[in-house]
Amino acid sequence: GAGVSQSPSNKVTEKGKDVELRCDPISGHTALYWYRQSLGQGLEFLIYFQGNSAPDKSGLPSDRFSAERTGGSVSTLTIQRTQQEDSAVYLCASSLGSQGAGYTFGSGTRLTVV
Amino acid sequence: DAKTTQPPSMDCAEGRAANLPCNHSTISGNEYVYWYRQIHSQGPQYIIHGLKNNETNEMASLIITEDRKSSTLILPHATLRDTAVYYCIVRVVQSQFYFGTGTSLTVIP
Repeated sequence: GAGVSQSPSNKVTEKGKDVELRCDPISGHTALYWYRQSLGQGLEFLIYFQGNSAPDKSGLPSDRFSAERTGGSVSTLTIQRTQQEDSAVYLCASSLGSQGAGYTFGSGTRLTVV
Repeated sequence: DAKTTQPPSMDCAEGRAANLPCNHSTISGNEYVYWYRQIHSQGPQYIIHGLKNNETNEMASLIITEDRKSSTLILPHATLRDTAVYYCIVRVVQSQFYFGTGTSLTVIP
């Protein structure tokens, strides 16, 4: 597609439920990132996929968070047993991964845990 | 990645040049300087990046000091649509971006 697509754009879930957030990167982009942004805060790095390399999961806040990237393209971020503090906008970005390339971000998924 | 320091907020008159400073005194030789901006309720948007030389594109110019310890993003003719939070980031190739708190730029009519 022309840009990074994320779905759903908005998600309201009950505390304790599991959620899946989807990211469709730009076709051919080898690098994919997940960030989250709480209200009024900066962006918090979560996880990074680069080609076939093992992902950098150093930003995941707890073992309730996981992500996968199938076939080097679509990525799914899963949050198990959601808590109210998980409420945030979850942003995905992709890049060609070439030297110095900038990243294109999606519009994000706004997650609200009630 | 090296830390960056930016003023928390700035104002600029519409039509004037907006000069946004960034200090990155501990930058390493292989780290690039990137600028992104985030308009309210949208994902961050890539603006420009550079290593040593000054760079210019259709959005902005990036001036990097000779010692690479600071840089300035220049929006030559600011418009109301340039009101956003501007992030200065330094990173090595193929690593994650660490976004700080950025500079909140308000363009005033």
